[in-house]
Amino acid sequence: EVQLVQSGPEAKKPGESLRISCQGSGYSFSTYWIGWVRQMPGKGLEYMGLIYPGDSDTKYSPSFQGRVTISADTAMNSAYLQWTSLKTSDTGIYYCVRLSAQGFDPWGQGTLVTVSS
Amino acid sequence: QSVLTQPPSVSGAPGQRVTISCTGSSSNIGAGYNVHWYRQLPGTAPRLLISGNNYRPSGVPDRFSASKSGTSASLVITGLQAEDEADYYCQSYDSSLSEVFGGGTKLTVL
Repeated sequence: EVQLVQSGPEAKKPGESLRISCQGSGYSFSTYWIGWVRQMPGKGLEYMGLIYPGDSDTKYSPSFQGRVTISADTAMNSAYLQWTSLKTSDTGIYYCVRLSAQGFDPWGQGTLVTVSS
Repeated sequence: QSVLTQPPSVSGAPGQRVTISCTGSSSNIGAGYNVHWYRQLPGTAPRLLISGNNYRPSGVPDRFSASKSGTSASLVITGLQAEDEADYYCQSYDSSLSEVFGGGTKLTVL
């Protein structure tokens, strides 16, 4: 079964750094783009960016370029989403997704990030 | 403001047919890129419902179908059931912005 499993919820203060993870299983991790999608409280889905683990080619949505860093480690079959200085507006649920010809499938279970002073 | 426009809400009675629209532009749907649809049940992660080539993951009934014309796409649900109550999102590719989502539509079963 193709599966993406994300790291657990995080509670942080403004200005702190954070890295959340997404581990893939059941398929060749290196050969599919992995993306990140944000969902702010009560809001819709926002595409953040993609990484191709095989060569670390990365693409960012203009809305998130420079604000987050996406990386991957093929030895760990994992992708990461990182912030160097969190803001309260970064509060939300972050989903990792696998990009295939059929769209984003599957989705991880989501990681809740809460940023509050 | 989402690149793909969906109605915020639609509703229908059990057994009825409902349509959710997704309107884009010449840089995304109108350029021929596939449109995929996702369903998000309350408190859960979104899941692929139907893809641009009408691929349905295992377990998705054929009551769900999708179509595309010009700069718009539609998701049609026939034989509406109470369990269909959820948020629905369309997604495509935009030549300027990469992957893009619609704002989402909340389906209420009356």
